[in-house]
Amino acid sequence: DTGVSQDPRHKITKRGQNVTFRCDPISEHNRLYWYRQTLGQGPEFLTYFQNEAQLEKSRLLSDRFSAERPKGSFSTLEIQRTEQGDSAMYLCASSKRQGQDGYTFGSGTRLTVV
Amino acid sequence: QKEVEQDPGPLSVPEGAIVSLNCTYSNSAFQYFMWYRQYSRKGPELLMYTYSSGNKEDGRFTAQVDKSSKYISLFIRDSQPSDSATYLCASRGTPGSIKAAGNKLTFGGGTRVLVKP
Repeated sequence: DTGVSQDPRHKITKRGQNVTFRCDPISEHNRLYWYRQTLGQGPEFLTYFQNEAQLEKSRLLSDRFSAERPKGSFSTLEIQRTEQGDSAMYLCASSKRQGQDGYTFGSGTRLTVV
Repeated sequence: QKEVEQDPGPLSVPEGAIVSLNCTYSNSAFQYFMWYRQYSRKGPELLMYTYSSGNKEDGRFTAQVDKSSKYISLFIRDSQPSDSATYLCASRGTPGSIKAAGNKLTFGGGTRVLVKP
């Protein structure tokens, strides 16, 4: 396993459309995180899964955002009715269960809403 | 006020110089401190991971944490042009504690570093 994989790498969509991103974490990592990063800023936490359970959600995650991790492996992040303000890099990270370590990030999905 | 603050830079140094990067944080529950390097249009890459106060060295990188002043530092010795990137500091509390922000990393805004040949 070479790391955290995210797909697609880039997505351009029209305002109002729905988009879905996928994240495949490192196989032995039970914890999965979604972050959002805008230009010139650090990543901001969106949500966290331990196995298939979504244990924490940020207030940044409006009703238009939903994340799933149905079998405790890959995860999807869906944005409904996209807005221009959703344009950002969406980063996925994973870590070991009970791990006292940093997270391993994927290369991200860059979303542009036009 | 953000929980983790960094000077955005850019910080420009000549090749071979020591790069000195700093962060301050406000949440006294933070126990774990990390430095990430991020190249343009890439995801962050973990450089250093430390727990509580103290120093940690790994090759050309040294991380320092002073919890009494809530101050985090990263030093890069013998800097190379390939070290040119954005450096992000991050912190979190005890794992499993939502109150202590243990389930998520809180990042600073990043410092852009340019090492000139």
